[in-house]
Amino acid sequence: DTGVSQDPRHKITKRGQNVTFRCDPISEHNRLYWYRQTLGQGPEFLTYFQNEAQLEKSRLLSDRFSAERPKGSFSTLEIQRTEQGDSAMYLCASSLADSPLHFGNGTRLTVT
Amino acid sequence: DQQVKQNSPSLSVQEGRISILNCDYTNSMFDYFLWYKKYPAEGPTFLISISSIKDKNEDGRFTVFLNKSAKHLSLHIVPSQPGDSAVYFCAASESGGSYIPTFGRGTSLIVHP
Repeated sequence: DTGVSQDPRHKITKRGQNVTFRCDPISEHNRLYWYRQTLGQGPEFLTYFQNEAQLEKSRLLSDRFSAERPKGSFSTLEIQRTEQGDSAMYLCASSLADSPLHFGNGTRLTVT
Repeated sequence: DQQVKQNSPSLSVQEGRISILNCDYTNSMFDYFLWYKKYPAEGPTFLISISSIKDKNEDGRFTVFLNKSAKHLSLHIVPSQPGDSAVYFCAASESGGSYIPTFGRGTSLIVHP
């Protein structure tokens, strides 16, 4: 069990640019989640996959955000035309069935 | 509208004493509750959970109490240790749904030696 891995750890981008983050879940976990955390807040749910199917999306996930999980393995989260309000820590988590979530260490995005 | 509330942003406790972290929820559909611990520059790590069919769950120094009628849960750490200093998040979910946890804003615990 190598844990949930996220890449990159930090990303600085200029407003209007596109960014993509990657998450590698724990290998036997069939569920994968994306959360966002800003300063002073708890993690906020963005979207959830069971295997390769994206089953739920939060209202926070505007149409500039897209997530994929091809073949039910790793996942990517893309943000198009980034805005300063997108600056946050993006957390990925995985779980097996109804067990507690295991989180990665996150990707910190700074939009200048 | 926050469905999971942690009203104390911070808590300071002396080593060896009890730490009590509180959490309130508003959604009566929540029936599974978790506590996560987070160190700086790391993701949250699962600590302990409780189902609504119980009112107490214990794991070593950590005990979670659930009061369903008050929609309140608390995490007790006894005895507190300096290594317990971290941000603690309360989370809640519906077991009959997709088990997607909703998190509170967290309480920063500092345990002084």
